[in-house]
Amino acid sequence: SQELEQSPQSLIVQEGKNLTINCTSSKTLYGLYWYKQKYGEGLIFLMMLQKGGEEKSHEKITAKLDEKKQQSSLHITASQPSHAGIYLCGADSQGGSEKLVFGKGTKLTVNP
Amino acid sequence: DSGVTQTPKHLITATGQRVTLRCSPRSGDLSVYWYQQSLDQGLQFLIQYYNGEERAKGNILERFSAQQFPDLHSELNLSSLELGDSALYFCASSPSHPTPVSEQYFGPGTRLTVT
Repeated sequence: SQELEQSPQSLIVQEGKNLTINCTSSKTLYGLYWYKQKYGEGLIFLMMLQKGGEEKSHEKITAKLDEKKQQSSLHITASQPSHAGIYLCGADSQGGSEKLVFGKGTKLTVNP
Repeated sequence: DSGVTQTPKHLITATGQRVTLRCSPRSGDLSVYWYQQSLDQGLQFLIQYYNGEERAKGNILERFSAQQFPDLHSELNLSSLELGDSALYFCASSPSHPTPVSEQYFGPGTRLTVT
């Protein structure tokens, strides 16, 4: 079965700093999703990447998909306390299904 | 606010009991998904329904069952509860099926504590 490994597991940065979170799949990626979760709350959909080389941005968050490496990265520029939370990557595990598998998450803390 | 609602928000019950979690998808969404999130297992897919029919199954225990009603709301039934069932249970919905990939919109979750 497909597994997603996220790195780092946790990250503490100073406000204003840039950071990158990685998500590596054990199998071919058919679709890669990034979600953000605040403690004990629901997941907020951030971005979906479908094609190799695809790059999407929303405000100060940019996600890229490297199909060959079976990897996606999430980059936050000039981080703010509002970016704090848990970032989860999810992947379409069977190509054509909507059964998502998720990484364990990266916990981001942004210190003011 | 994703538009997906879940009730109750918190639930505390004893081992051996049975509970029902409820989910109302976003308006117009036909697919409903259930996930369990625990500290040790992370977020795991349980089951998916599309327009009232079971579509996909994940790591759902036999003690758990779900259904989707004609008005498209869904219920997840957990029986013979064990301490290890304590977790956050999320419901998500998506616009349509089948599509190769589609974003799923998550509800706020129900926190279940089994004592």
